[in-house]
Amino acid sequence: EPEVTQTPSHQVTQMGQEVILRCVPISNHLYFYWYRQILGQKVEFLVSFYNNEISEKSEIFDDQFSVERPDGSNFTLKIRSTKLEDSAMYFCASSEPQGEADTGELFFGEGSRLTVL
Amino acid sequence: AQSVTQPDIHITVSEGASLELRCNYSYGATPYLFWYVQSPGQGLQLLLKYFSGDTLVQGIKGFEAEFKRSQSSFNLRKPSVHWSDAAEYFCAVGAPEAAGNKLTFGGGTRVLVKP
Repeated sequence: EPEVTQTPSHQVTQMGQEVILRCVPISNHLYFYWYRQILGQKVEFLVSFYNNEISEKSEIFDDQFSVERPDGSNFTLKIRSTKLEDSAMYFCASSEPQGEADTGELFFGEGSRLTVL
Repeated sequence: AQSVTQPDIHITVSEGASLELRCNYSYGATPYLFWYVQSPGQGLQLLLKYFSGDTLVQGIKGFEAEFKRSQSSFNLRKPSVHWSDAAEYFCAVGAPEAAGNKLTFGGGTRVLVKP
């Protein structure tokens, strides 16, 4: 069964360092997302991406964050200068094209745990 | 904008007993509704979803949920809980009219199962 894969599964970094989290969405999906879950808290929407541009972003997704689809398969989240409060589990997700097949379901990866020291 | 409330932060249930997790949403029309489960240190696994049709939906692992428009609710149920059901459960709502499928999640309900 196709799945969303994320790397790394866990990354530890120093405050102020740049971090790139990588995701390989399901191959025929066209919408891509990043969500964040701070330990013990709810899953929060960060950004959605479609047709090589951001379609929606939350207040959390400030200038320190960026997303990119550098090739036909990867979808990345970059945090330019990490802060302690960026420590969280980051989930990538993808969904099918809109249309009759679209049921609104997001397929999530296993997550990348980021620890900022 | 849509929102989701899960009133119960923690629920403890005995193995073999029934379980019901509450979810209330706020949205102007009929939303897409989802329940996800997250085991400790794991990702999000879809249990079930509602997008149209029969308001009682069946999911994996013996779970079911019922969409009640009049109550803006989508409660999750399981008749007999197994120890492996101990996890955190998230209700989520999506907006069919919006471009893309952004989901808004509730705060989650942590389920503990007693032997």
